[in-house]
Amino acid sequence: DTAVSQTPKYLVTQMGNDKSIKCEQNLGHDTMYWYKQDSKKFLKIMFSYNNKELIINETVPNRFSPKSPDKAHLNLHINSLELGDSAVYFCASSQDPRPGQGYGYTFGSGTRLTVV
Amino acid sequence: AQSVTQLGSHVSVSEGALVLLRCNYSSSVPPYLFWYVQYPNQGLQLLLKYTSAATLVKGINGFEAEFKKSETSFHLTKPSAHMSDAAEYFCAVSDQPTGGGNKLTFGTGTQLKVEL
Repeated sequence: DTAVSQTPKYLVTQMGNDKSIKCEQNLGHDTMYWYKQDSKKFLKIMFSYNNKELIINETVPNRFSPKSPDKAHLNLHINSLELGDSAVYFCASSQDPRPGQGYGYTFGSGTRLTVV
Repeated sequence: AQSVTQLGSHVSVSEGALVLLRCNYSSSVPPYLFWYVQYPNQGLQLLLKYTSAATLVKGINGFEAEFKKSETSFHLTKPSAHMSDAAEYFCAVSDQPTGGGNKLTFGTGTQLKVEL
């Protein structure tokens, strides 16, 4: 079973369209994230949610709207897509620290978004 | 603000030679440090992490890293490079996590090339 799964893997769309990317994790983690990797492979956090509550919003344009219907899902909806939104978007999850357990992130395999 | 600097955006080694990928961090609090690897068109895979236990950390695929507070470094090494090690490597830093998760701040990545 895939730990953090994203769909779709590839997404090609025209400028101005609205699209969504879905993410699900089956690890029982408490926190989920969206990261953006640009064409130079630089990775930057966009959002994080903890138990469905928004924790981090890194000055992302409000055309991007995350939604977390439950702890295991964090979807990303993008309105009015622009050429500059072309990137690879990674979902990730992490476990809050608990006694005797390690801490770490698990990443999905990414969604390559191309806006034409 | 936390940050990591990876020296050398491209590193080339011969098969069988030592791999050394450099990472220096900046953090006002004791950091958690990570190395991730990204193979072409794939997601991020955790190689190893430092979470304030042993300063010499062993990871997967024969990689290890040493946390040196005096040098604010967390360099990644492997004694003998293999062709399959060719990939992009990312160093990342986070605060020690509290409830609610913590964001990872990534370096700009180092592309490792392994030559025959």
